[in-house]
Amino acid sequence: AQTVTQSQPEMSVQEAETVTLSCTYDTSESDYYLFWYKQPPSRQMILVIRQEAYKQQNATENRFSVNFQKAAKSFSLKISDSQLGDAAMYFCAYRLDSGGGADGLTFGKGTHLIIQP
Amino acid sequence: DADVTQTPRNRITKTGKRIMLECSQTKGHDRMYWYRQDPGLGLRLIYYSFDVKDINKGEISDGYSVSRQAQAKFSLSLESAIPNQTALYFCATSDSGTSGGAGYNEQFFGPGTRLTVL
Repeated sequence: AQTVTQSQPEMSVQEAETVTLSCTYDTSESDYYLFWYKQPPSRQMILVIRQEAYKQQNATENRFSVNFQKAAKSFSLKISDSQLGDAAMYFCAYRLDSGGGADGLTFGKGTHLIIQP
Repeated sequence: DADVTQTPRNRITKTGKRIMLECSQTKGHDRMYWYRQDPGLGLRLIYYSFDVKDINKGEISDGYSVSRQAQAKFSLSLESAIPNQTALYFCATSDSGTSGGAGYNEQFFGPGTRLTVL
């Protein structure tokens, strides 16, 4: 079974600074996908960024980027120019390349990100 | 807007009661999921469905059952609720699609149902 580990229960950063959230995972598969989801106090789950394991190039979405290290099974999220609206729980998630077999996301336990004004 | 809705949003029930949580979607997606969120544990998969006739157990299916009444509707039942089923429950949908592989496609989450079992 796959596992996802987020070793930082809580992180704090000053507004406008950069912060990196860590995520490692364990799998014996070679084709899979990785995601970062954001959960603000409204509890809505919002996709931040995603990465295909077969692509070496790191995904970027505006101020959000990832550092994907497949051999190390590491998938960290970097948030640049942090804004107050970035304050939330952040979940790293893993998904198999599902062509009709097993499906669903495996989540880490989350990192609570605090933005200091 | 195409959306994922869950009813009820909040529910308090007693031990031993049967309860059903409902999920509807207007996204036209074929895949639907139920997750449970507990504080400090992230989200865990309960059941998932590829289509009306294809339902599969997830990581923590014991004590739960599901029904896919139509492509747009996926309900979760607790036959005899117990206090440790107190949690936040999310429904999600995803499209199998063809672009980039089904696994790459975003899962869209409903707003969640907060269930308390006394």
